[in-house]
Amino acid sequence: GAGVSQSPSNKVTEKGKDVELRCDPISGHTALYWYRQSLGQGLEFLIYFQGNSAPDKSGLPSDRFSAERTGGSVSTLTIQRTQQEDSAVYLCASSSYSGTAYEQYFGPGTRLTVT
Amino acid sequence: GNSVTQMEGPVTLSEEAFLTINCTYTATGYPSLFWYVQYPGEGLQLLLKATKADDKGSNKGFEATYRKETTSFHLEKGSVQVSDSAVYFCALSVGGYNKLIFGAGTRLAVHP
Repeated sequence: GAGVSQSPSNKVTEKGKDVELRCDPISGHTALYWYRQSLGQGLEFLIYFQGNSAPDKSGLPSDRFSAERTGGSVSTLTIQRTQQEDSAVYLCASSSYSGTAYEQYFGPGTRLTVT
Repeated sequence: GNSVTQMEGPVTLSEEAFLTINCTYTATGYPSLFWYVQYPGEGLQLLLKATKADDKGSNKGFEATYRKETTSFHLEKGSVQVSDSAVYFCALSVGGYNKLIFGAGTRLAVHP
């Protein structure tokens, strides 16, 4: 079946602009995660959704970052007033329960470059 | 807090050599442990997992054993191939939300 998809695959934006990143999880997966992969910080957790609720937003680096999920499916990560340090690959993952562990399946990522 | 430490790369090996990538963790509670792999130009893929002490995860010739006494989850493969060249990430999840905490990643380069 279809995997996790993300769009756009690449985004170049000017400092100070807002950007929206989209994630389409695997159908039926109720859990959705956003992570960020950058050279300086490695792979970092940003936010977790269960259904449309976000019980864990602890990884969002500042109030410029927000995310929502609608219909228990598509999620959008929004970064306002982008800064150069926001440049990174943003990864989305969705999760199924497999035996005794939740396995997360990752999308290909959106590479964000802030100039 | 929860954290993962893995050996720095790059690791450079000849084809058919034995591979070990060390991973140790610190966690409150009882984590599940994972190895993810990122091939060049591709997304993260789950390689193997283990959910309790002494469990051995295995896939594609790779193995890792969950060692609670040494808080380790070292990745091994008996005979690497050029196609194994990738970045390998050790990770843990603990607690009800199952968010992943990753190590820094280890780049493996296998030469013919």
